[in-house]
Amino acid sequence: DSGVTQTPKHLITATGQRVTLRCSPRSGDLSVYWYQQSLDQGLQFLIQYYNGEERAKGNILERFSAQQFPDLHSELNLSSLELGDSALYFCASTPTVGSGANVLTFGAGSRLTVL
Amino acid sequence: AQSVTQLGSHVSVSEGALVLLRCNYSSSVPPYLFWYVQYPNQGLQLLLKYTTGATLVKGINGFEAEFKKSETSFHLTKPSAHMSDAAEYFCAVSHTGANSKLTFGKGITLSVRP
Repeated sequence: DSGVTQTPKHLITATGQRVTLRCSPRSGDLSVYWYQQSLDQGLQFLIQYYNGEERAKGNILERFSAQQFPDLHSELNLSSLELGDSALYFCASTPTVGSGANVLTFGAGSRLTVL
Repeated sequence: AQSVTQLGSHVSVSEGALVLLRCNYSSSVPPYLFWYVQYPNQGLQLLLKYTTGATLVKGINGFEAEFKKSETSFHLTKPSAHMSDAAEYFCAVSHTGANSKLTFGKGITLSVRP
């Protein structure tokens, strides 16, 4: 158990729908990162939050959004889902704002299947 | 900008054989380099990392990697493969700075034959 908790583990939904993925970072970690892992794109950085504020944006679609709450858990919202959004979504956390030399601690992921 | 190249998507070795997984990076500033491993149905976990200092880095499970600046490489090796090493391996690069982020390579799947 890495200490990073992601729910749900598996999610099957239909095109056009909206889903929310949840992440609780490791105790004491203030920074949360979201990554998307797909067969064709590999691991793609989506977005980072630090202590409630957005700090960095990667290849995140406009249909996707995220936020980090005062208790430091984070949610990734995916809307108007398309077949191509089917992927494994990982959350990771670090104690401080920059990933730099910090080791990212990953959760087990949420597998999204869009039918 | 920074990037990582992991040539090939699959490597197969016999149990007891040398494991060599290649990684080349591109970075405009001194890099921090990482190897992560992903076992089936699990998240990624750190094998080893290089930040500064000794260029030969030892990690968990008998793995090690050497940072070679002149070759912009950070290849992962293990002298003797074990069946339990079968997994997907990711090389990643970052750098110092408050807004640095980790950039991953495409990953290499390691298979170990009995």
